Amino acid sequence: GESVGLHLPTLSVQEGDNSIINCAYSNSASDYFIWYKQESGKGPQFIIDIRSNMDKRQGQRVTVLLNKTVKHLSLQIAATQPGDSAVYFCAENMGQGAQKLVFGQGTRLTINP
Amino acid sequence: AAGVIQSPRHLIKEKRETATLKCYPIPRHDTVYWYQQGPGQDPQFLISFYEKMQSDKGSIPDRFSAQQFSDYHSELNMSSLELGDSALYFCASSPGRNTQYFGPGTRLTVL
Repeated sequence: GESVGLHLPTLSVQEGDNSIINCAYSNSASDYFIWYKQESGKGPQFIIDIRSNMDKRQGQRVTVLLNKTVKHLSLQIAATQPGDSAVYFCAENMGQGAQKLVFGQGTRLTINP
Repeated sequence: AAGVIQSPRHLIKEKRETATLKCYPIPRHDTVYWYQQGPGQDPQFLISFYEKMQSDKGSIPDRFSAQQFSDYHSELNMSSLELGDSALYFCASSPGRNTQYFGPGTRLTVL
């Protein structure tokens, strides 16, 4: 069936560097995408979202890019900090009424001091 | 800011027992979602409620049921528990069809 997946399960970067986490989705009808950060033992924390009528959205130190042509989503984190170490999930809304999120596999980001 | 509240935070049950998980959404959020996350897995959507009515259904076993009450809190009832039900159970809430905010989760262990 339709699914959302991530290219890399782990990513390790030096503190202060920029990081990019990628995600591929297969449902071309999806209209809403979200990135969540999950620290160990905690619930997913909303980072940033983007609707399908946009190709870029910026937040504080984070940018989400959406390429509908190749059905690709990415999360860029600038000037990474130790607190950015976590698992990052992209999620795709598959619902018609309320949201029904389908999560990708997750990428573990480790920030090295 | 107020967040989603889940109780209990940890629960240990024996096989074939029942469990009830509770979720209190963020104030003024009318939509509640339940997810199950196994070890090393991504969260899997179980079920959602909007204005106390079931809105959508995912991979929720027939042994599980849920409802949303008049005060918008929700309960997930799990019967005939199996070892494979051991997981983190997250509740999320949103104002309508908008961004979901997740609670801290309930860790269920079935022995």
